Amino acid sequence: QKEVEQNSGPLSVPEGAIASLNCTYSDRGSQSFFWYRQYSGKSPELIMFIYSNGDKEDGRFTAQLNKASQYVSLLIRDSQPSDSATYLCAVNQAGTALIFGKGTTLSVSS
Amino acid sequence: ETGVTQSPTHLIKTRGQQVTLRCSSQSGHNTVSWYQQALGQGPQFIFQYYREEENGRGNFPPRFSGLQFPNYSSELNVNALELDDSALYLCAMARERGETQYFGPGTRLLVL
Repeated sequence: QKEVEQNSGPLSVPEGAIASLNCTYSDRGSQSFFWYRQYSGKSPELIMFIYSNGDKEDGRFTAQLNKASQYVSLLIRDSQPSDSATYLCAVNQAGTALIFGKGTTLSVSS
Repeated sequence: ETGVTQSPTHLIKTRGQQVTLRCSSQSGHNTVSWYQQALGQGPQFIFQYYREEENGRGNFPPRFSGLQFPNYSSELNVNALELDDSALYLCAMARERGETQYFGPGTRLLVL
């Protein structure tokens, strides 16, 4: 059973701090990795995708991928209350299904 | 704004009934995937269609079926509804297989 694991949280950080969200996956053949943000009652919204080992930065967000350790992370710098949401890690399997973790709930306090 | 739309937004059915959910896109998305998201869980893959052919299926029974039409719209049909089918149903579209999937707003189904 191919799995994606995330800590459910909640992860609580003060406004302006760095939030670090982590994800591990079981399928070594996975090729692409995604972070989605989901506000309560809404659908998932793409934040970032990453295909290669290393870091990828987009504004306040940095995705990090380590295929040898089967580990993906998302860093959010200068966290804002509007970043409070559930963050879903997803792995693309064989170009078809996205396999999701259960999500990590982030709470940013002002 | 992803340009992916779903209808209806909410739906209430009773056990044993059948339901059809719809998804459409303004752009030429050749790939459509359907997911089921229960409360507090991540989305679970139901199936994917590529150019009107099924291109992969998750661990869902045959009473979950789908179609993709030439205009890139899609339907998810669920027969013999069960209480556990209550969930948020998400449609996601991509231009091609393996490319980034963008989600519609979802249909929230309640089975009583």
